[in-house]
Amino acid sequence: EVHLEESGGGLVQPGGSLRLSCAASGFLFRSFWMTWVRQAPGKGLEWVANMDENGSEKYYVDSVEGRFIISRDNTRNTLYLQMNSLRAEDTAVYYCATDRGSGLDHWGQGTLVTVSS
Amino acid sequence: DIQMTQSPSSLSASVGDRVTITCQASQDIIKYLNWYQQKPGKAPKLLIYDISNLEIGVPSRFSGSGSGTQFTFTISSLQPEDIATYYCQQYDDLPQTFGQGTKVEIK
Repeated sequence: EVHLEESGGGLVQPGGSLRLSCAASGFLFRSFWMTWVRQAPGKGLEWVANMDENGSEKYYVDSVEGRFIISRDNTRNTLYLQMNSLRAEDTAVYYCATDRGSGLDHWGQGTLVTVSS
Repeated sequence: DIQMTQSPSSLSASVGDRVTITCQASQDIIKYLNWYQQKPGKAPKLLIYDISNLEIGVPSRFSGSGSGTQFTFTISSLQPEDIATYYCQQYDDLPQTFGQGTKVEIK
């Protein structure tokens, strides 16, 4: 059974950094594109970033380009999101998801990031 | 970026009613349109991919249709367990974008 578990969320001050992790199990992690999606409190879904199977292709939404870095360790079956220069508007639940090419078909439970002083 | 305009933003219907949600893309997205269901406090769940294809295990009362820029999501007979927010999503171009969501409630 596919399982994704995010961790690393928490309270951080504006301008601070945080690294999220997404531990994957139950599938061949190294064969799938992976994606981060976020959801601000009471708001809709926003696609944040994705990367290909081996990390050679990475894409970001404009609002995080240059501040966030998506990466993966296929030996540890783990996806990461390094978030720098955090802003209040980055406050959200962050989900990782598998991208099979025709949809985001498995999701973690999410981890909450709160940017506040 | 491709804008996805979803309507209505919320609706209230009775058990057994037919429910329809529309999604309009700001440009032709061909067939690259998905629908997700998100129940309160839970992660989204992929229900329909490529306009009209049901994920395995998704009840047949859910369906999707459309083409180009206009798409429709239908629940043929609303059930209490369908209470959720539904999102359309395009993946024709990056960044992938979602509609703003439709909250479905029972009257």
